Amino acid sequence: GQQLNQSPQSMFIQEGEDVSMNCTSSSIFNTWLWYKQDPGEGPVLLIALYKAGELTSNGRLTAQFGITRKDSFLNISASIPSDVGIYFCAGQWGETSGSRLTFGEGTQLTVNP
Amino acid sequence: EPEVTQTPSHQVTQMGQEVILRCVPISNHLYFYWYRQILGQKVEFLVSFYNNEISEKSEIFDDQFSVERPDGSNFTLKIRSTKLEDSAMYFCASRAGLAALYGGKFFGPGTRLTVL
Repeated sequence: GQQLNQSPQSMFIQEGEDVSMNCTSSSIFNTWLWYKQDPGEGPVLLIALYKAGELTSNGRLTAQFGITRKDSFLNISASIPSDVGIYFCAGQWGETSGSRLTFGEGTQLTVNP
Repeated sequence: EPEVTQTPSHQVTQMGQEVILRCVPISNHLYFYWYRQILGQKVEFLVSFYNNEISEKSEIFDDQFSVERPDGSNFTLKIRSTKLEDSAMYFCASRAGLAALYGGKFFGPGTRLTVL
């Protein structure tokens, strides 16, 4: 099956710093999504990317869909304590009625005030 | 803002028992999904459902699992005879449509299933 490699596994940063995390795949995806998960809760959609090369922002978050369609990155600028959580990338291959998501392993972000 | 809801938030059951996990997707959504997340691991796809039938299922979704949309609002996941390894968070998700303009999948808060 399709596998996503997400890095880094964890990050410890100071409040105000910028953060970057990325996902790579051996397979092509048609859609890349970035989710944030807080402990005991479901993933919350942050950014969705639908075209190769697409760069999309959502407040302090910016994500890009790689040209090769095999990678994506997420940047968080000027981090704040509430950015703490696990960030997951997810790739979607088809637009059939199935459209399953394949998730990365997650990046655990810790922000020190 | 509309959201996916799930009940119960936590279910404890004995091995071999049947459990039903319930979800209420966002009201105008047409595509429904179940995912699970074993503690400390990534989220894994189980099944997708559209137009009252399964669209796709993963290798995890064996004969012990079934899904149903019994009415216009609920979407359920049944595990017939639970095993210890079924212990996980189970997330329901829904989506309005497949095209980009409909946005991505929205996940519920999850049901934590503990099999003893």
